[in-house]
Amino acid sequence: SQKIEQNSEALNIQEGKTATLTCNYTNYSPAYLQWYRQDPGRGPVFLLLIRENEKEKRKERLKVTFDTTLKQSLFHITASQPADSATYLCALGGSGTYKYIFGTGTRLKVLA
Amino acid sequence: DTGVSQNPRHKITKRGQNVTFRCDPISEHNRLYWYRQTLGQGPEFLTYFQNEAQLEKSRLLSDRFSAERPKGSFSTLEIQRTEQGDSAMYLCASSSGWAAQETQYFGPGTRLLVL
Repeated sequence: SQKIEQNSEALNIQEGKTATLTCNYTNYSPAYLQWYRQDPGRGPVFLLLIRENEKEKRKERLKVTFDTTLKQSLFHITASQPADSATYLCALGGSGTYKYIFGTGTRLKVLA
Repeated sequence: DTGVSQNPRHKITKRGQNVTFRCDPISEHNRLYWYRQTLGQGPEFLTYFQNEAQLEKSRLLSDRFSAERPKGSFSTLEIQRTEQGDSAMYLCASSSGWAAQETQYFGPGTRLLVL
């Protein structure tokens, strides 16, 4: 069955450092992959989308890579700030469907 | 505020009761999704609508769950004969555009507690 794995343990990093979050998937060939941010008690908020034919996407301090051979996406936050502390979710979508499958999320804490 | 809204925000019910949640999507969005999220997990897909048509429903969804979007605008999710395992956050999202460019806009969720 389709499986998406994100670091289940929380990631603590020091302010100013680069945070790198991982999304691995098996038994799936996504056409695109999205990253969302979720704060406690709130719905997810869209951050970035990357398509299967794209290797890298950037938006301000955010960078996403997508390696369909390794079946992995990496999500980077450069110059991290305490305000970046949240849970980050990856979501995979396939061609021919509007359905998304979400990972379990990784909780990031940026220490001042 | 023109975002996705959900009501109620919180619901406490006793096991065996029926509950109904409402979602109002962003007005120009033609797709509407329902997800369920439990603590420490990501959103789990339940179903989605394109306008008023329910196009896909999770096989994990039991017959106790039903969703409607009668006029292609707001949607309701009903859970009949609730069980304690139904306790979760129920999220609604809406979107428009082609799938490859799709951004889902989520509502704040309805937190359900079944006693």
